Amino acid sequence: DGGITQSPKYLFRKEGQNVTLSCEQNLNHDAMYWYRQDPGQGLRLIYYSQIVNDFQKGDIAEGYSVSREKKESFPLTVTSAQKNPTAFYLCASSMGTGVPNEQFFGPGTRLTVL
Amino acid sequence: AQSVTQLDSQVPVFEEAPVELRCNYSSSVSVYLFWYVQYPNQGLQLLLKYLSGSTLVESINGFEAEFNKSQTSFHLRKPSVHISDTAEYFCAVSDRVGGTYKYIFGTGTRLKVLA
Repeated sequence: DGGITQSPKYLFRKEGQNVTLSCEQNLNHDAMYWYRQDPGQGLRLIYYSQIVNDFQKGDIAEGYSVSREKKESFPLTVTSAQKNPTAFYLCASSMGTGVPNEQFFGPGTRLTVL
Repeated sequence: AQSVTQLDSQVPVFEEAPVELRCNYSSSVSVYLFWYVQYPNQGLQLLLKYLSGSTLVESINGFEAEFNKSQTSFHLRKPSVHISDTAEYFCAVSDRVGGTYKYIFGTGTRLKVLA
């Protein structure tokens, strides 16, 4: 089955800790994205990547970092600099950012800071 | 920059009644529009999309949306809803920024179907 997997499903973090959220896709998509979802605010773009070893900041990149060493993988690190990290994080992919294709989403990771 | 407005944060409706979820976008030369559905604690799933061609697009589960350029709208409709349609619905627009298409999402409409 082709799709996007995210792990873990639930993640708890103490203040001051960095945590890394995993995102893997086997759809052979070039583009990958990270969104943050908060109640009543829709989805906000954190980072996106068009190709391996390249990524761009989205609208709310402060306090986050990413890497894209493999086409299939786009992990997101939530650093201690992120002031309010408790949220639902969604990873998505699409065939490419050069065309207006739909995005395919993973099941999400719910991060809670204790 | 593009923006998307979903005016209704919640829409309650009785089972088998019709429903319309409203979506308006800011104007642009070319727009590509999407509706996604999200069930609790899950990711988003594509419901339907408008890229070009017929302004009326349909999904396999009875939803339809009509692209209206003059009103800059892409409202989602279903003539008869089921309990299983209870979910959150997001409208999105894909806009070209430089050489890249980015996606802007509305704040979502929570549809609650009542028995």
